[in-house]
Amino acid sequence: AQKITQTQPGMFVQEKEAVTLDCTYDTSDQSYGLFWYKQPSSGEMIFLIYQGSYDEQNATEGRYSLNFQKARKSANLVISASQLGDSAMYFCAIPDQTGANNLFFGTGTRLTVIP
Amino acid sequence: DGGITQSPKYLFRKEGQNVTLSCEQNLNHDAMYWYRQDPGQGLRLIYYSQIVNDFQKGDIAEGYSVSREKKESFPLTVTSAQKNPTAFYLCASSLTSGGAGDTQYFGPGTRLTVL
Repeated sequence: AQKITQTQPGMFVQEKEAVTLDCTYDTSDQSYGLFWYKQPSSGEMIFLIYQGSYDEQNATEGRYSLNFQKARKSANLVISASQLGDSAMYFCAIPDQTGANNLFFGTGTRLTVIP
Repeated sequence: DGGITQSPKYLFRKEGQNVTLSCEQNLNHDAMYWYRQDPGQGLRLIYYSQIVNDFQKGDIAEGYSVSREKKESFPLTVTSAQKNPTAFYLCASSLTSGGAGDTQYFGPGTRLTVL
């Protein structure tokens, strides 16, 4: 069965510093992708970044990057130059291997950026 | 502006009542999804639809029903059979329902409270 583990329920980071949010996964699929979403207090899930299992380079989107280590089944999100608006819940997700493209989510990490 | 809209933002239901949550998208996406989120939890799949007039149960479909009569609309009915419906409900859509990189985009959510 698939499993997504986010071991950090809460993280704090100083404004303008970088922070790494951990995500490990378990899947039997050979081809898969990893998604990261941000959920601010308003509730909407905002897509941040995606990494395919066969992508050779780590994905980067602006201040977000993925530290993808396939052998360790790890896909950590790195946020550089943290801003106050980055304070939110962050979820790692993987497509459900049972067939359809619905996503299987971790329990999330709450990031708080300190001024 | 393309996107996903959900209404209402807040919904209150008396025990024994059915209520319907609206989800509309103008992204021309084939696939649509309903997720439920409980406090401190990740998202769990209720129903998904890969194409018009077709839908499948997710992990927690009991007490819920859906329809997909139009490509852009995927309403969710919370029936009186759902014993603990108080939660945050998120609708999502994706271009297709296959492929590791098919990103899901979410609406702003509906917070349902049973009185």
